[in-house]
Amino acid sequence: ELKVEQNPLFLSMQEGKNYTIYCNYSTTSDRLYWYRQDPGKSLESLFVLLSNGAVKQEGRLMASLDTKARLSTLHITAAVHDLSATYFCAVGQTTDSWGKLQFGAGTQVVVTP
Amino acid sequence: GAGVSQTPSNKVTEKGKYVELRCDPISGHTALYWYRQSLGQGPEFLIYFQGTGAADDSGLPNDRFFAVRPEGSVSTLKIQRTERGDSAVYLCASSRFSGGANTGELFFGEGSRLTVL
Repeated sequence: ELKVEQNPLFLSMQEGKNYTIYCNYSTTSDRLYWYRQDPGKSLESLFVLLSNGAVKQEGRLMASLDTKARLSTLHITAAVHDLSATYFCAVGQTTDSWGKLQFGAGTQVVVTP
Repeated sequence: GAGVSQTPSNKVTEKGKYVELRCDPISGHTALYWYRQSLGQGPEFLIYFQGTGAADDSGLPNDRFFAVRPEGSVSTLKIQRTERGDSAVYLCASSRFSGGANTGELFFGEGSRLTVL
């Protein structure tokens, strides 16, 4: 059974500083996704990582995937208040149902001045 | 509309009642997924449709849950004899297609919040 673990589960960030969220998973997969969720809202796709060594960047966020270590990281550079949200990683479970994902528990991020 | 549309946005019902939740996917998306998100947790997979057929219903918790997609577009999630433990946000997502040249990126709706009293 595929298990996905995120840490930390809660992250208090100071504006302007750098932080990393980690996502470990238990079985082989080469598909990993990062989503953002604001309170009471749905999930917004941030990154799609489909191969070992994949790295994607958007603004202050950068995600990478190491399929051999079964690890993805989401790096936040110079945090700003607008990045306050819950971040989920999700791992693809099968190759015949690409949208069947196993989500982590989420990392709640609060950015303060 | 441009995104995945779900109705109702909120549903309050009494234990034992029957509920239906509707999802209208993004136009042209052939794959449709239902997920359930409990408070403070990540979404859990329930069922996946490719076209009209349920290709994978392994996430449905029991036989009180059923979903249909008769014309390959709109889907309805049906819950019989609701229980308090069914209270959650039910999320629908769609993607262009499943397998082959597909990233698996899901586009989620706003969800239907179900509260069973």
